[in-house]
Amino acid sequence: QQPVQSPQAVILREGEDAVINCSSSKALYSVHWYRQKHGEAPVFLMILLKGGEQKGHEKISASFNEKKQQSSLYLTASQLSYSGTYFCGTEDSGGGADGLTFGKGTHLIIQP
Amino acid sequence: DAGITQSPRHKVTETGTPVTLRCHQTENHRYMYWYRQDPGHGLRLIHYSYGVKDTDKGEVSDGYSVSRSKTEDFLLTLESATSSQTSVYFCAISESNLVSYNEQFFGPGTRLTVL
Repeated sequence: QQPVQSPQAVILREGEDAVINCSSSKALYSVHWYRQKHGEAPVFLMILLKGGEQKGHEKISASFNEKKQQSSLYLTASQLSYSGTYFCGTEDSGGGADGLTFGKGTHLIIQP
Repeated sequence: DAGITQSPRHKVTETGTPVTLRCHQTENHRYMYWYRQDPGHGLRLIHYSYGVKDTDKGEVSDGYSVSRSKTEDFLLTLESATSSQTSVYFCAISESNLVSYNEQFFGPGTRLTVL
């Protein structure tokens, strides 16, 4: 079942902060975050695993609440380059690599 | 950047014709995936592979078949294309281990239009 992302879209001024949320109705093993610019491929930002491990870019932070099956991506002091569509992707089980179930995306527009 | 190429990058075809999309990687990653992306739906998994000749169905596999005869190549075939298969198709690769945690790298995409 597809995770639900919120908000669907957000417009910020450069330097403002944003939070993007991802919620699933299923127990999760991991949550991935990707950013996609128009006409390009999605690019990996961060992965958060059940148990607290995480891996990602230094300037990106995120959280994963295992009990609520929710993850949030925090974008602080936003830059123009942060514009794009953000997707969360979820895994139900680890060990194997069965592919990700993605949310519908959050469109982020950063204005100067 | 991960070495992933997709071919063709753009294709226009007619309803009922067979179409094969190719994904080629130079990373020697074990896992390969085909996703389709449509407005309002995000990315949806079509098929995936966990090794040579080992494939499985994803969420939206109807009308698609795949093959993986070599580690580096993963083919997606539309046996008889329909207009509902007009989409952007992305290939992705990953290597699930203690270092990469199934971090996925995406190819540049193929834009397919079925008339």
